[in-house]
Amino acid sequence: QSVLTQPPSASGTPGQRVTISCSGSSSNIGSNTVNWYQQLPGTAPKLLFYSNDLRPSGVPDRFSGSKSGTSASLAISGLQSEDEADYYCAAWDDSLNGQVFGGGTKLAVL
Amino acid sequence: EVQLVESGGGLVQPGGSLRLSCAASGFTVSSNYMSWVRQAPGKGLEWVSILYSGGFTYYAGSVKGRFTISRDNSKNTLYLQMNSLRAEDAAVYYCARDSINYDFSTETFYYYGMDVWGQGTTVTVSS
Repeated sequence: QSVLTQPPSASGTPGQRVTISCSGSSSNIGSNTVNWYQQLPGTAPKLLFYSNDLRPSGVPDRFSGSKSGTSASLAISGLQSEDEADYYCAAWDDSLNGQVFGGGTKLAVL
Repeated sequence: EVQLVESGGGLVQPGGSLRLSCAASGFTVSSNYMSWVRQAPGKGLEWVSILYSGGFTYYAGSVKGRFTISRDNSKNTLYLQMNSLRAEDAAVYYCARDSINYDFSTETFYYYGMDVWGQGTTVTVSS
């Protein structure tokens, strides 16, 4: 059972816009910023977003992040086949003193 | 180049011990917060433990009392000592650098996520 809650799967066709939700609690998302990770098959996770909506260099602006209260979401517009991956939300948790993760959402590009 | 390379994974019997290593290059482990994250087969990411630059350590409830995180500054290496291993500890273990900033003027801690990851090392627990 993950600390943060995400839908297990999402899908879309090329060019579509897809959103992935993430919910937490007052000790994590409610009081800290949200980070998102992308994990391509067979590889280590990669930081996709930090501080809710900031992209590290190299991440296309087709990706966007937002947060409201104890929830957050990741949006991908202009969906491409290479976006097929697992996406994890995460946030610092004040009670655990570490970053906790959502269960992950497997994105399929149909 | 900033890089993390894990090693030390392998097959161990239930109740056994294993020590994982994470060698860093391109930055100094002792100046950063460093974490271990694991991923059981077919499952999601689970935070395991963190070592602050100041030396404080914290653990997930599932490993507290059995795992110990540490570092060797002379080797610029992070470790995870795992004792009393259980079947549910089987996973790929990643080490990662935590990106943080502390504003002393406002006493505010900012966490920017895990910005560097290793390739992972696999731990199998089976008799």
